[in-house]
Amino acid sequence: GQQVMQIPQYQHVQEGEDFTTYCNSSTTLSNIQWYKQRPGGHPVFLIQLVKSGEVKKQKRLTFQFGEAKKNSSLHITATQTTDVGTYFCAGTGANNLFFGTGTRLTVIP
Amino acid sequence: DSGVTQTPKHLITATGQRVTLRCSPRSGDLSVYWYQQSLDQGLQFLIHYYNGEERAKGNILERFSAQQFPDLHSELNLSSLELGDSALYFCASSFRGSGDYEQYFGPGTRLTVT
Repeated sequence: GQQVMQIPQYQHVQEGEDFTTYCNSSTTLSNIQWYKQRPGGHPVFLIQLVKSGEVKKQKRLTFQFGEAKKNSSLHITATQTTDVGTYFCAGTGANNLFFGTGTRLTVIP
Repeated sequence: DSGVTQTPKHLITATGQRVTLRCSPRSGDLSVYWYQQSLDQGLQFLIHYYNGEERAKGNILERFSAQQFPDLHSELNLSSLELGDSALYFCASSFRGSGDYEQYFGPGTRLTVT
């Protein structure tokens, strides 16, 4: 079945440092979505990437979709304490989303 | 506030019991998805309904079942509960049923089986 893996599982960074999480799929994806889940909260949609090689930016967040549409990354520049949470990627397939394993980000003030 | 409501917020029950979790999607959304999130785990897809019909099934146990009603709210039924069923259960809604629309998550129901 379709699998979406994320690395790293955990990441601790000093406030102001950059952070990157990587998402890899065993199959080609139609598109990929990214979600953020704050501690104690529910996942919140961040963005969707559709095209091969697509790059999108949201303020300090940069999202990339690989050329082969099998991997993606989320990069946060100059992390802030408000960036704390778990970041999930999710690939589309068979009428549902396959969520990655998530990367839990801790930001040390 | 995502516009998706889930009840109850918390549920504590004993092994062997049966519970029903309820979800109301955002106004206008036809799809409802159910997910299970155990402690420090990812989101495990359980089942997807679109406009009253089952669209996709994930790793949902036979002890679990779901349905979506004509008013589009959905219920997830968990029976013969085991300790390992303790988890956070999220429902999410989206407009279409193809899986490539953003999903709006409810606040979740935390189930504790003792």
